[in-house]
Amino acid sequence: GEDVEQSLFLSVREGDSSVINCTYTDSSSTYLYWYKQEPGAGLQLLTYIFSNMDMKQDQRLTVLLNKKDKHLSLRIADTQTGDSAIYFCAESASGNTPLVFGKGTRLSVIA
Amino acid sequence: EPEVTQTPSHQVTQMGQEVILRCVPISNHLYFYWYRQILGQKVEFLVSFYNNEISEKSEIFDDQFSVERPDGSNFTLKIRSTKLEDSAMYFCASSGRGRLTNTEAFFGQGTRLTVV
Repeated sequence: GEDVEQSLFLSVREGDSSVINCTYTDSSSTYLYWYKQEPGAGLQLLTYIFSNMDMKQDQRLTVLLNKKDKHLSLRIADTQTGDSAIYFCAESASGNTPLVFGKGTRLSVIA
Repeated sequence: EPEVTQTPSHQVTQMGQEVILRCVPISNHLYFYWYRQILGQKVEFLVSFYNNEISEKSEIFDDQFSVERPDGSNFTLKIRSTKLEDSAMYFCASSGRGRLTNTEAFFGQGTRLTVV
């Protein structure tokens, strides 16, 4: 079945860039997503990328997709303390089919 | 900003008891979902609901589980006879009528269910 893997922890200094990595197994994944979960809050969709794209940039966020290696990354430029959260990678076969999530990467930003 | 609201935030129940988790989706949304995350594990899809019926469900969603939209505003998940392994954070989500429902889905803050 489909599987999404990501490292569990990442610690960065304020002002540095953060890179959160994710790998997935389903070659039919069409959409790949990054969600953010702050303490006590729900999963918030940060960005998503369609599988025919290599890169998507949205302000401080850059998503890179290597479809050959089934590797997705999220880069946060100029990381702030407010970026401290759990970041979930997810994929779906289409824009309407159930999401398959990873375990989440806990990002800690050190001031 | 609109939000999905889940109650309670934490529910403790005894094994074998029935539990109902409640969600108030965003008012004009049409698609509703339940996901869960067992501690330390991945967020897993349970069920999707559209037009007053289940549109898709996972293997986890067995006969112990049911969903209902009892009054047009709430969306509930019922577990008939809870087991220890049902302990998890349960997330409700809702989405509008767009073509890419995943990209428009809003998630609630979750209900932590603890079965003792």
